[in-house]
Amino acid sequence: AQKITQTQPGMFVQEKEAVTLDCTYDTSDQSYGLFWYKQPSSGEMIFLIYQGSYDEQNATEGRYSLNFQKARKSANLVISASQLGDSAMYFCAMRGMDSSYKLIFGSGTRLLVRP
Amino acid sequence: GAGVSQSPRYKVAKRGQDVALRCDPISGHVSLFWYQQALGQGPEFLTYFQNEAQLDKSGLPSDRFFAERPEGSVSTLKIQRTQQEDSAVYLCASSTGTAYGNTIYFGEGSWLTVV
Repeated sequence: AQKITQTQPGMFVQEKEAVTLDCTYDTSDQSYGLFWYKQPSSGEMIFLIYQGSYDEQNATEGRYSLNFQKARKSANLVISASQLGDSAMYFCAMRGMDSSYKLIFGSGTRLLVRP
Repeated sequence: GAGVSQSPRYKVAKRGQDVALRCDPISGHVSLFWYQQALGQGPEFLTYFQNEAQLDKSGLPSDRFFAERPEGSVSTLKIQRTQQEDSAVYLCASSTGTAYGNTIYFGEGSWLTVV
């Protein structure tokens, strides 16, 4: 079975500062992928960043980076230079090799960027 | 199209009414998924198609829920005799394949309210 845990229901960050959103996971799969999605109030689930379990380097996409610590089973999202438009729900998700068509989501973190 | 398209965006149904939610995936994506997202929670898997074949419907909450993808492109999620607990956002998603590294892209969702 796979499980994603996001322990921060809500977070505040000052505009232009960096923020880290926590994600831990549990899986028995040897190979898996970890994803972060952003969901603004409009409802669309927007893909942000991907990290494969065998990737040696942490993934980066513009202002987004993924702090992947395999031994700790954590995949935290770091957003640098926060912008007002970053205010949204953020979901961590994973797909395992053994059940690779299913994406399993955490409960999400609501981020509010203060001006 | 450029992204996953869903319609209607918003639907208010009277309890007992049947509803049909449409999804037009990204062109060429063989994998199609339906997820249900209750307010304040992460999306939950409902069903999965590979082309026209429905390979997994284990997440459908009851036999009132039915999904089809007859020609391997557009999909419809049908809910019969709607009940208040069916109120949720229904997200459709697609991907090029089922490898764990394939990104799943989501639509904006269909917001269903049963009154």
